[in-house]
Amino acid sequence: KQEVTQIPAALSVPEGENLVLNCSFTDSAIYNLQWFRQDPGKGLTSLLLIQSSQREQTSGRLNASLDKSSGRSTLYIAASQPGDSATYLCAVRMDSSYKLIFGSGTRLLVRP
Amino acid sequence: NAGVTQTPKFQVLKTGQSMTLQCAQDMNHEYMSWYRQDPGMGLRLIHYSVGAGITDQGEVPNGYNVSRSTTEDFPLRLLSAAPSQTSVYFCASSYFRDSVSSYNSPLHFGNGTRLTVT
Repeated sequence: KQEVTQIPAALSVPEGENLVLNCSFTDSAIYNLQWFRQDPGKGLTSLLLIQSSQREQTSGRLNASLDKSSGRSTLYIAASQPGDSATYLCAVRMDSSYKLIFGSGTRLLVRP
Repeated sequence: NAGVTQTPKFQVLKTGQSMTLQCAQDMNHEYMSWYRQDPGMGLRLIHYSVGAGITDQGEVPNGYNVSRSTTEDFPLRLLSAAPSQTSVYFCASSYFRDSVSSYNSPLHFGNGTRLTVT
């Protein structure tokens, strides 16, 4: 059974720092992986979707990498800003499945 | 530019009551789904649909019913509410032409309904 883990559960950094959020999964036979952002009391916003055949995807200050063989993905945020404060969730899709399997998220606080 | 709209935002039910959570999207997405979010358990798929008249079960379907009569709407019905159904419920949609196109399309989420069952 696929399990998705995000460590740490919470992270606090000063503004301007570059940071890395981690996502690990137990079954490497994934179809793709998505990173989402969730603001308090709000729904999830898709940030990046990375295919199993890809190594990384970039959008602005965000870069997501994927290493299937080791069961890991990282979300790199460059030059963090207070507006980046939110919970970041990763989710994997297995082959031929509509179901996304989510991690529990990392709650990020960027201090001014 | 509404996207995915969920109503109500908050709801309190007594055990045994029934209710319908509403979800509507204006992006002409064929794929729609319901997730519940619980502390420490992440989000789990309840039901999903790939078009009007087509629904299927997700990971945790017991106690919930869905129907899809139009492309825009995908209501979730709780038949007899139980305290274990206290949760935050999210509706999500995505583009769908076939299964592969849906798998590769990002999900768009509503802002959720916070449900408490006493």
